[in-house]
Amino acid sequence: DAGVIQSPRHEVTEMGQEVTLRCKPISGHDYLFWYRQTMMRGLELLIYFNNNVPIDDSGMPEDRFSAKMPNASFSTLKIQPSEPRDSAVYFCASSVNSPGPSYEQYFGPGTRLTVT
Amino acid sequence: QKEVEQDPGPLSVPEGAIVSLNCTYSNSAFQYFMWYRQYSRKGPELLMYTYSSGNKEDGRFTAQVDKSSKYISLFIRDSQPSDSATYLCAMSAGSNYQLIWGAGTKLIIKP
Repeated sequence: DAGVIQSPRHEVTEMGQEVTLRCKPISGHDYLFWYRQTMMRGLELLIYFNNNVPIDDSGMPEDRFSAKMPNASFSTLKIQPSEPRDSAVYFCASSVNSPGPSYEQYFGPGTRLTVT
Repeated sequence: QKEVEQDPGPLSVPEGAIVSLNCTYSNSAFQYFMWYRQYSRKGPELLMYTYSSGNKEDGRFTAQVDKSSKYISLFIRDSQPSDSATYLCAMSAGSNYQLIWGAGTKLIIKP
């Protein structure tokens, strides 16, 4: 398996523009997580899905952020309109609901977003 | 106060030294404790996983959990320059798959 795939790897955009980040989880994984990482705030969970259904979006900073998972192999995180404070590395991770506790999350390479 | 506290460092030690990385937490319901390693410009990857209290050893790495003190540790023996990375602790109460993360400690092993 190729692991979690994210695109684009780097995104530079101007304030006010719409940004869409994409993620393909590992096949067979039924949990998908979107994180944001900054030096100041560390790794923050934004939202997570189970079987394509959003379970907890309390980490989404504001209405400018939205996430969808239309099927088991694809998810998007959209920021509209973008602001300079959204600059961060955005990670997608997936995990599988296996017998017994399993908390290993497999992370993608991240999307480095810069909003100018 | 954060649920999980971790010193961000950086922690710089010479090659071959024993490294001790630590996290404290406040939620007594946490039962699952993990250490993730993150290399520069990469995503975190699971290094060690421990359930409840006790020790777990894997090669040069040892994870310890002291639930009475709400304190977890990761020890690295015979540290190598390739161990230079950011180490994040993460934990869960087990009711769902959501992890609570520490800030991460940046570790630098000097040759």
